[in-house]
Amino acid sequence: GAVVSQHPSWVICKSGTSVKIECRSLDFQATTMFWYRQFPKQSLMLMATSNEGSKATYEQGVEKDKFLINHASLTLSTLTVTSAHPEDSSFYICSALGLLKTEAFFGQGTRLTVV
Amino acid sequence: EDQVTQSPEALRLQEGESSSLNCSYTVSGLRGLFWYRQDPGKGPEFLFTLYSAGEEKEKERLKATLTKKESFLHITAPKPEDSATYLCASWTDFNKFYFGSGTKLNVKP
Repeated sequence: GAVVSQHPSWVICKSGTSVKIECRSLDFQATTMFWYRQFPKQSLMLMATSNEGSKATYEQGVEKDKFLINHASLTLSTLTVTSAHPEDSSFYICSALGLLKTEAFFGQGTRLTVV
Repeated sequence: EDQVTQSPEALRLQEGESSSLNCSYTVSGLRGLFWYRQDPGKGPEFLFTLYSAGEEKEKERLKATLTKKESFLHITAPKPEDSATYLCASWTDFNKFYFGSGTKLNVKP
């Protein structure tokens, strides 16, 4: 199946700093990518939908100025957590919708810990 | 409000004991119903996409079915390696995915 690579797989940062997470579709072009966060023992919560070349669409309650999403190409979307705080610590996962829009593939996730 | 509900939350089976997982959905404009498997600390792994009521798909010991209100993931003669959390997600006309809370499956040898 198609491959989505997410980097880094884990990161520890100090409170107040910013962290960038990359999501790449390695063998297909993805016009649409999704960003999720997942708390322990809970399901994935959709944060935003990212479309190549346009602004991301954020879900209600997600601060767009805090979680900056850029989808500059058909194979790369980035999520930047700005001025991170301990409550931002979570597992962040991206997914990419294939061009045929029949499947959605997920990255391996990024474990963010803010200390 | 779009909603996806999975049951049971947790399921313990003996190896070889077949069972089904349920995913009920109430969404506007369903384009597809996805099933994923997720192992601890990893991203979800794609299993199936179902598009219309009556559709069925199979992969090894797994079989997914879809009706107008729910989807089932049938596990036939499960093995310990099938232990994982199984997630379903609805894909809507607004090009969004909404996930259920998952069913944590534990298959004991």
